[in-house]
Amino acid sequence: GAVVSQHPSRVICKSGTSVKIECRSLDFQATTMFWYRQFPKQSLMLMATSNEGSKATYEQGVEKDKFLINHASLTLSTLTVTSAHPEDSSFYICSAGTTNEQFFGPGTRLTVL
Amino acid sequence: AQSVTQLGSHVSVSEGALVLLRCNYSSSVPPYLFWYVQYPNQGLQLLLKYTSAATLVKGINGFEAEFKKSETSFHLTKPSAHMSDAAEYFCAVSEGTGFQKLVFGTGTRLLVSP
Repeated sequence: GAVVSQHPSRVICKSGTSVKIECRSLDFQATTMFWYRQFPKQSLMLMATSNEGSKATYEQGVEKDKFLINHASLTLSTLTVTSAHPEDSSFYICSAGTTNEQFFGPGTRLTVL
Repeated sequence: AQSVTQLGSHVSVSEGALVLLRCNYSSSVPPYLFWYVQYPNQGLQLLLKYTSAATLVKGINGFEAEFKKSETSFHLTKPSAHMSDAAEYFCAVSEGTGFQKLVFGTGTRLLVSP
């Protein structure tokens, strides 16, 4: 199947700093990518839908100014957690969609101290 | 709005025993249904999907699931559990193809004992 990568796989930062997470589709072009958040022992919650060349669509309750999404090309979407706080610590997973399936990245573990 | 309910946050089986993970869905339109597996600190891997074709869907690693519209269910089964099956399993629903956003259940952790 198609491969989606995320970088970094793990990041630890201080409270108040910003962190950028990259999501890349390695062997296919994805006009749409999705960003999910997963708290420990919980399910994935969709944060936003990222569309190449246009603004992301955020789910209800997700602060768009805090979680900045950029989908600059057909193979790259980035999620920037701005002014991160300990409550933002979580597992962030992206997926890239084709016509029939979503392919998930391996996830990024964010820890905010 | 669509939703998925997974009954049982934990399921324990012995190696070689039948695996049954339950999933019920709610959807106002014909649903597309998925089962994903997640190993610790990893992303999700698709096990199988139902996309309005055959109601009995076979997936990877010996898993299969049956779509039952009358019961709004899509339970995941495997005849004989392996130790390597121990993981978190998520059922998900979308309104269209896998291209659309997914709504996930809360997950079921499968524990396999020797």
